[in-house]
Amino acid sequence: GENVEQHPSTLSVQEGDSAVIKCTYSDSASNYFPWYKQELGKRPQLIIDIRSNVGEKKDQRIAVTLNKTAKHFSLHITETQPEDSAVYFCAAPSPNESGGSNYKLTFGKGTLLTVNP
Amino acid sequence: EAQVTQNPRYLITVTGKKLTVTCSQNMNHEYMSWYRQDPGLGLRQIYYSMNVEVTDKGDVPEGYKVSRKEKRNFPLILESPSPNQTSLYFCASSLNGLASSYNEQFFGPGTRLTVL
Repeated sequence: GENVEQHPSTLSVQEGDSAVIKCTYSDSASNYFPWYKQELGKRPQLIIDIRSNVGEKKDQRIAVTLNKTAKHFSLHITETQPEDSAVYFCAAPSPNESGGSNYKLTFGKGTLLTVNP
Repeated sequence: EAQVTQNPRYLITVTGKKLTVTCSQNMNHEYMSWYRQDPGLGLRQIYYSMNVEVTDKGDVPEGYKVSRKEKRNFPLILESPSPNQTSLYFCASSLNGLASSYNEQFFGPGTRLTVL
Protein backbone atom coordinates (compact mmCIF):
# COMPACT_ATOMS: atom_id res chain seq x y z
CA GLY A 1 0.00 0.00 0.00
CA GLU A 2 0.87 3.66 -0.15
CA ASN A 3 3.17 5.25 2.45
CA VAL A 4 3.03 9.04 2.71
CA GLU A 5 5.64 10.92 4.71
CA GLN A 6 5.10 14.59 5.50
CA HIS A 7 7.65 17.12 6.79
CA PRO A 8 7.98 19.16 8.86
CA SER A 9 5.48 18.26 11.56
CA THR A 10 5.49 21.85 12.80
CA LEU A 11 6.42 25.06 11.04
CA SER A 12 6.48 28.58 12.42
CA VAL A 13 6.92 31.59 10.13
CA GLN A 14 6.60 35.34 10.33
CA GLU A 15 3.69 36.98 8.57
CA GLY A 16 4.66 37.74 4.99
CA ASP A 17 7.24 34.96 4.76
CA SER A 18 6.84 31.84 2.64
CA ALA A 19 6.08 28.36 3.94
CA VAL A 20 6.92 25.06 2.28
CA ILE A 21 5.63 21.65 3.29
CA LYS A 22 6.92 18.53 1.60
CA CYS A 23 5.49 15.05 1.18
CA THR A 24 6.96 11.89 -0.24
CA TYR A 25 5.02 8.87 -1.40
CA SER A 26 5.92 5.29 -2.17
CA ASP A 27 3.51 4.06 -4.84
CA SER A 28 4.85 5.06 -8.25
CA ALA A 29 1.39 4.51 -9.73
CA SER A 30 -0.11 7.33 -7.67
CA ASN A 31 -1.21 10.19 -9.90
CA TYR A 32 -3.35 12.52 -7.81
CA PHE A 33 -2.08 14.58 -4.90
CA PRO A 34 -4.45 16.74 -2.85
CA TRP A 35 -3.69 19.09 0.02
CA TYR A 36 -6.19 19.67 2.81
CA LYS A 37 -6.27 22.47 5.37
CA GLN A 38 -7.77 21.92 8.81
CA GLU A 39 -8.31 24.92 11.02
CA LEU A 40 -8.54 24.37 14.76
CA GLY A 41 -11.77 22.60 15.63
CA LYS A 42 -12.89 22.43 12.02
CA ARG A 43 -13.12 19.77 9.34
CA PRO A 44 -10.42 19.26 6.66
CA GLN A 45 -11.06 21.14 3.43
CA LEU A 46 -9.35 20.77 0.07
CA ILE A 47 -7.23 23.77 -0.82
CA ILE A 48 -5.41 22.57 -3.92
CA ASP A 49 -4.69 19.38 -5.79
CA ILE A 50 -2.47 18.29 -8.65
CA ARG A 51 -2.59 15.46 -11.12
CA SER A 52 0.50 13.77 -12.46
CA ASN A 53 0.26 15.21 -15.93
CA VAL A 54 1.46 18.62 -14.65
CA GLY A 55 4.44 19.63 -12.58
CA GLU A 56 3.02 22.70 -10.88
CA LYS A 57 -0.31 24.29 -10.12
CA LYS A 58 -1.01 27.70 -8.61
CA ASP A 59 -4.01 29.30 -7.00
CA GLN A 60 -3.29 32.82 -5.79
CA ARG A 61 -0.87 32.51 -2.86
CA ILE A 62 -0.72 28.73 -2.81
CA ALA A 63 1.02 26.40 -5.22
CA VAL A 64 1.81 22.72 -5.40
CA THR A 65 4.78 21.22 -7.21
CA LEU A 66 5.19 17.58 -8.13
CA ASN A 67 8.32 15.60 -8.89
CA LYS A 68 7.21 12.16 -10.04
CA THR A 69 10.75 10.90 -10.51
CA ALA A 70 11.66 11.62 -6.93
CA LYS A 71 8.13 10.79 -5.74
CA HIS A 72 7.60 13.96 -3.79
CA PHE A 73 5.25 16.90 -3.90
CA SER A 74 5.27 20.16 -2.00
CA LEU A 75 2.86 22.86 -0.88
CA HIS A 76 4.10 26.44 -1.16
CA ILE A 77 2.33 29.32 0.56
CA THR A 78 3.64 32.80 -0.20
CA GLU A 79 3.00 36.05 1.68
CA THR A 80 1.65 34.10 4.66
CA GLN A 81 -1.09 35.61 6.76
CA PRO A 82 -2.29 34.73 10.29
CA GLU A 83 -5.39 33.07 8.80
CA ASP A 84 -3.08 30.56 7.11
CA SER A 85 -2.39 29.12 10.55
CA ALA A 86 -3.78 25.57 10.50
CA VAL A 87 -2.82 21.93 10.10
CA TYR A 88 -2.09 20.96 6.51
CA PHE A 89 -2.38 17.40 5.23
CA CYS A 90 -1.08 15.92 2.02
CA ALA A 91 -2.53 12.72 0.59
CA ALA A 92 -1.91 10.20 -2.14
CA PRO A 93 -4.10 7.44 -3.52
CA SER A 94 -3.28 3.79 -3.78
CA PRO A 95 -5.13 1.05 -5.59
CA ASN A 96 -7.58 -0.98 -3.67
CA GLU A 97 -5.87 -4.14 -2.47
CA SER A 98 -8.50 -6.33 -4.09
CA GLY A 99 -7.38 -5.01 -7.46
CA GLY A 100 -10.47 -3.03 -8.36
CA SER A 101 -10.65 0.26 -10.22
CA ASN A 102 -11.24 2.25 -7.06
CA TYR A 103 -8.66 3.63 -4.69
CA LYS A 104 -7.86 4.40 -1.08
CA LEU A 105 -6.56 7.77 0.03
CA THR A 106 -3.60 7.75 2.41
CA PHE A 107 -2.91 10.95 4.34
CA GLY A 108 0.32 12.30 5.74
CA LYS A 109 0.47 12.95 9.47
CA GLY A 110 0.01 16.67 9.07
CA THR A 111 1.98 19.90 9.50
CA LEU A 112 0.97 22.48 12.08
CA LEU A 113 1.68 25.86 10.48
CA THR A 114 1.78 28.89 12.74
CA VAL A 115 2.00 32.34 11.19
CA ASN A 116 3.16 34.90 13.70
CA PRO A 117 1.91 38.47 13.23
CA GLU B 1 -27.01 23.47 0.99
CA ALA B 2 -24.66 20.71 -0.12
CA GLN B 3 -23.23 19.08 2.95
CA VAL B 4 -22.11 16.03 4.88
CA THR B 5 -23.67 15.65 8.31
CA GLN B 6 -22.70 13.43 11.23
CA ASN B 7 -24.46 12.55 14.45
CA PRO B 8 -23.80 12.70 17.26
CA ARG B 9 -21.10 15.37 17.31
CA TYR B 10 -19.93 14.34 20.78
CA LEU B 11 -20.34 11.03 22.56
CA ILE B 12 -19.04 9.61 25.81
CA THR B 13 -19.70 5.93 26.31
CA VAL B 14 -18.42 2.92 28.22
CA THR B 15 -16.48 -0.11 27.08
CA GLY B 16 -18.61 -2.71 25.34
CA LYS B 17 -21.74 -0.62 24.76
CA LYS B 18 -22.63 -0.80 21.07
CA LEU B 19 -22.93 2.51 19.29
CA THR B 20 -23.60 3.89 15.83
CA VAL B 21 -22.37 7.14 14.34
CA THR B 22 -24.51 8.25 11.44
CA CYS B 23 -23.27 9.99 8.29
CA SER B 24 -25.43 11.45 5.58
CA GLN B 25 -24.70 13.44 2.40
CA ASN B 26 -27.10 15.26 0.10
CA MET B 27 -24.84 15.59 -2.93
CA ASN B 28 -25.70 12.26 -4.57
CA HIS B 29 -22.09 11.17 -4.10
CA GLU B 30 -21.19 7.58 -4.82
CA TYR B 31 -18.08 7.41 -2.65
CA MET B 32 -18.21 7.67 1.15
CA SER B 33 -15.51 7.05 3.70
CA TRP B 34 -14.80 7.04 7.43
CA TYR B 35 -11.56 8.33 8.95
CA ARG B 36 -10.27 8.59 12.46
CA GLN B 37 -7.96 11.38 13.51
CA ASP B 38 -5.55 10.96 16.40
CA PRO B 39 -2.82 13.38 17.53
CA GLY B 40 0.37 12.83 15.60
CA LEU B 41 -1.17 10.18 13.35
CA GLY B 42 -3.10 12.28 10.86
CA LEU B 43 -6.21 10.92 9.19
CA ARG B 44 -6.45 7.16 8.86
CA GLN B 45 -9.09 5.53 6.73
CA ILE B 46 -11.33 3.00 8.47
CA TYR B 47 -13.75 1.86 5.75
CA TYR B 48 -14.99 3.20 2.49
CA SER B 49 -17.85 2.55 0.12
CA MET B 50 -17.83 2.88 -3.63
CA ASN B 51 -21.62 2.71 -3.90
CA VAL B 52 -24.70 1.10 -2.39
CA GLU B 53 -23.89 -2.33 -0.95
CA VAL B 54 -20.20 -1.97 -1.91
CA THR B 55 -17.82 -1.46 1.01
CA ASP B 56 -14.14 -2.18 1.63
CA LYS B 57 -11.60 -1.96 4.40
CA GLY B 58 -9.30 0.97 4.82
CA ASP B 59 -6.09 0.94 6.82
CA VAL B 60 -7.56 0.56 10.32
CA PRO B 61 -10.84 -1.43 10.07
CA GLU B 62 -10.47 -3.56 13.22
CA GLY B 63 -13.30 -3.07 15.68
CA TYR B 64 -15.56 -1.25 13.21
CA LYS B 65 -18.39 -2.18 10.87
CA VAL B 66 -20.18 -0.20 8.19
CA SER B 67 -23.16 -0.58 5.93
CA ARG B 68 -24.34 1.21 2.80
CA LYS B 69 -27.98 0.39 2.24
CA GLU B 70 -28.81 3.78 0.76
CA LYS B 71 -26.66 6.08 -1.31
CA ARG B 72 -26.90 9.01 1.09
CA ASN B 73 -26.15 7.19 4.36
CA PHE B 74 -23.03 5.46 5.60
CA PRO B 75 -23.23 4.62 9.33
CA LEU B 76 -20.19 3.56 11.36
CA ILE B 77 -20.89 0.85 13.92
CA LEU B 78 -18.78 -0.01 16.94
CA GLU B 79 -20.13 -3.33 18.20
CA SER B 80 -18.03 -3.38 21.37
CA PRO B 81 -16.16 -0.10 21.81
CA SER B 82 -12.85 -0.08 23.63
CA PRO B 83 -10.81 2.84 25.03
CA ASN B 84 -8.38 2.68 22.09
CA GLN B 85 -11.25 3.75 19.85
CA THR B 86 -11.40 7.10 21.60
CA SER B 87 -10.81 9.46 18.70
CA LEU B 88 -12.16 12.15 16.42
CA TYR B 89 -14.09 10.57 13.56
CA PHE B 90 -14.76 12.13 10.18
CA CYS B 91 -17.09 10.98 7.48
CA ALA B 92 -16.33 12.13 3.93
CA SER B 93 -17.89 11.81 0.52
CA SER B 94 -16.87 12.45 -3.06
CA LEU B 95 -18.52 12.17 -6.43
CA ASN B 96 -16.91 8.80 -7.04
CA GLY B 97 -13.89 6.83 -5.96
CA LEU B 98 -12.59 5.81 -9.32
CA ALA B 99 -8.89 5.99 -9.94
CA SER B 100 -9.66 7.31 -13.41
CA SER B 101 -11.27 10.48 -12.10
CA TYR B 102 -10.17 11.61 -8.67
CA ASN B 103 -12.52 13.97 -6.91
CA GLU B 104 -12.43 16.27 -3.92
CA GLN B 105 -13.53 14.68 -0.67
CA PHE B 106 -16.01 16.70 1.39
CA PHE B 107 -15.77 16.10 5.11
CA GLY B 108 -18.45 16.10 7.76
CA PRO B 109 -18.03 18.18 10.96
CA GLY B 110 -16.57 15.31 12.95
CA THR B 111 -17.67 13.20 15.91
CA ARG B 112 -15.60 13.24 19.07
CA LEU B 113 -15.92 9.86 20.75
CA THR B 114 -14.66 9.00 24.22
CA VAL B 115 -14.79 5.39 25.40
CA LEU B 116 -14.29 4.98 29.15
